[in-house]
Amino acid sequence: GQQVMQIPQYQHVQEGEDFTTYCNSSTTLSNIQWYKQRPGGHPVFLIQLVKSGEVKKQKRLTFQFGEAKKNSSLHITATQTTDVGTYFCAGGAGSYQLTFGKGTKLSVIP
Amino acid sequence: GAVVSQHPSWVICKSGTSVKIECRSLDFQATTMFWYRQFPKQSLMLMATSNEGSKATYEQGVEKDKFLINHASLTLSTLTVTSAHPEDSSFYICSARSLLQGHQETQYFGPGTRLLVL
Repeated sequence: GQQVMQIPQYQHVQEGEDFTTYCNSSTTLSNIQWYKQRPGGHPVFLIQLVKSGEVKKQKRLTFQFGEAKKNSSLHITATQTTDVGTYFCAGGAGSYQLTFGKGTKLSVIP
Repeated sequence: GAVVSQHPSWVICKSGTSVKIECRSLDFQATTMFWYRQFPKQSLMLMATSNEGSKATYEQGVEKDKFLINHASLTLSTLTVTSAHPEDSSFYICSARSLLQGHQETQYFGPGTRLLVL
C-alpha cells in the first residue's frame, strides 16, 4: 500500500532560525496536503498542492510539491514560538482518502 | 466555514462499557466522513471511511464489530466503541470531506474525543 515517510521526526530550533520538514511517498500522488497540530489539539488544514513542481507561500511558510509528485516540503522562515506543533503531510492518490506521514514535531526555543 | 464538531470531547468509562462519539459537519454537507485514531506521539491512523447511507469501509486490522460506525445523514456520523478495554484508550478524530466547489479533497477535522477506559 501507499506509504508516506516524513522526516525529521523531531526538530528543535532557536527562535528566528529556519525549519524544514520533508515528505516522501512510495507512489505518485494526486495531491499533497499539510496540516498543523498544536499540542493537545486537532489537525488544522494548512494547504493543498496539486500541480507538479508547485510552490505556494503563506507568510513565512513555503510549500513545495516535487516534479514527480512524490515528495513535498514545508519550510518555515524565521520561526516563532507560535509555530510550535506537529506538522503532518498527507498524500492523496486518486481517491479521497489521505495517507498521513508520522509528522514532524517542532519545538522553538525562545 | 467548514466547521466540524465532535461530542463528547472527553470521556472516561469502565472496561466493558460502550461509548458513542458523534461527528457533525455544522455548516456544510459531507457525503464522506473519516474516523482516525491517534495514540500519544503518533500519527493519525485511518480507522474507517463512512459514506452516508451505506456501510462503512474499515481499514485492515480494525474490527468492524468493535467499532460501529453509522452515517445516518449528510451531517452526522457516529462511532461506537463497544465493550471498551483499556487498550482502546486513545484520541479519536473525525473528519469530513466538503462537497463545496473548490474544496476538492480537503478534509476538515473535528476537535477530537479523548477516550480513557479504566
